[in-house]
Parts: sequence; C-alpha cells; structure tokens
Amino acid sequence: AQSVTQLDSQVPVFEEAPVELRCNYSSSVSVYLFWYVQYPNQGLQLLLKYLSGSTLVESINGFEAEFNKSQTSFHLRKPSVHISDTAEYFCAVRDPGGSQGNLIFGKGTKLSVKP
Amino acid sequence: DTGVSQDPRHKITKRGQNVTFRCDPISEHNRLYWYRQTLGQGPEFLTYFQNEAQLEKSRLLSDRFSAERPKGSFSTLEIQRTEQGDSAMYLCASSWTGGYLNEQFFGPGTRLTVL
Repeated sequence: AQSVTQLDSQVPVFEEAPVELRCNYSSSVSVYLFWYVQYPNQGLQLLLKYLSGSTLVESINGFEAEFNKSQTSFHLRKPSVHISDTAEYFCAVRDPGGSQGNLIFGKGTKLSVKP
Repeated sequence: DTGVSQDPRHKITKRGQNVTFRCDPISEHNRLYWYRQTLGQGPEFLTYFQNEAQLEKSRLLSDRFSAERPKGSFSTLEIQRTEQGDSAMYLCASSWTGGYLNEQFFGPGTRLTVL
C-alpha cells in the first residue's frame, strides 16, 4: 500500500526566510503528487500538483515543488515566506491506475511564520 | 459561494448517540468523497460516490457508519452508536470526472466530539 511521509510536524520560520517542507512517498511506480494547504478554520485547498512532464511545478503564490523519482520525494519550497503562509500543509499521492477515490495523505506539516 | 458546504460545522454528542452530517458538493460535480481527519493525522479516505452509486468503501468505514447520496446531489454520513474514537473532523470533497485529473475540492469539515 502507498504511504506518504512528512518528516516535520512543525516548521517555525521567520518572515522572508526560505522554507522547505519535506515529503516522501513509498511507491516506485508512477503516481500523481499533490500539496494541499489548510488555513485556520478553512477546508483543504489544492496548492500544486505533479502529474507528468516537467518535474518542477509552481503555485500562483510563490511555492514550488520538485518531483524526484529516484528519491521518491516531492518537497515543497518557497524562497521567501510571508506571515500569511502560516498554515498546515499536506502532501498527498494518488496512484493513477488505482482507485479514483483514494488520495493518500501525509500527517501534515504546520508552518508557522514569525515576524 | 459555490464551493463544497458541510453542515453542521461542529457537533458534540454523547457516547451511544447517533449523528448525521450533510455535504453539499459543487453543483456540477458527479463525484463525492468522505474523509476523516483525527488530531495530528492527515485525512483518511472513507468512501466515495459517483452520482448516487457508492463505488468504494474503506475498511475504516465500520458497520456503524453509513453514507448515502440518494439523488446524486447532496450526501449524508450517519454514525450510529457513537464512540469516543469517532471524535474527528469529517471532510467532504467533490470532483467532476469530465475535468482534468478529477481534482477534488474540499469543504470546511464537520468537527465531531463524542463525550
């Protein structure tokens, strides 16, 4: 069975500093990869996704993630964070050949941006 | 607002009582998913519907849980004889199979507390 590991449960960082949130998945077969963000008292929102093609994907608010097949990783990065980026971030995987309903999520990483 | 809505947002109940949650998906979406999120964990898939048909159920969905989507629009999730271990955030998501990737859009969740 697929699994997703987010090694850091909490990441505190100062405003304007760079940040990397780590995500590793278990499967070596082709997968779809996602990052979701959950702001306080809100639902999950899709931040970015990797399906195929370029291994570097970007979001509209400055985040990027790089798919690394050999390391089975999909780390999320931002060169300069803002206070408004404070949220919980979830990495998720879906097997394109598997169930259409089954997103497998990591445990989440709480990003706390301090002034 | 045309996003996914869930009702109620919070529910406190006593052990042994039955509870029912409702999810209204985005109107043109034909797929509807239920997930459960416990403290410190990522969302875990419970079940999903395509139109009114329930196509997959996770082994997490015990016999005390039942979900319906009678007219292929809104869905209800009922938990009978609640236990303290049922305390969690219950998330609903919807998607459209005609869209690219079948992206899932999440509602704000219903937080259940069983005393």
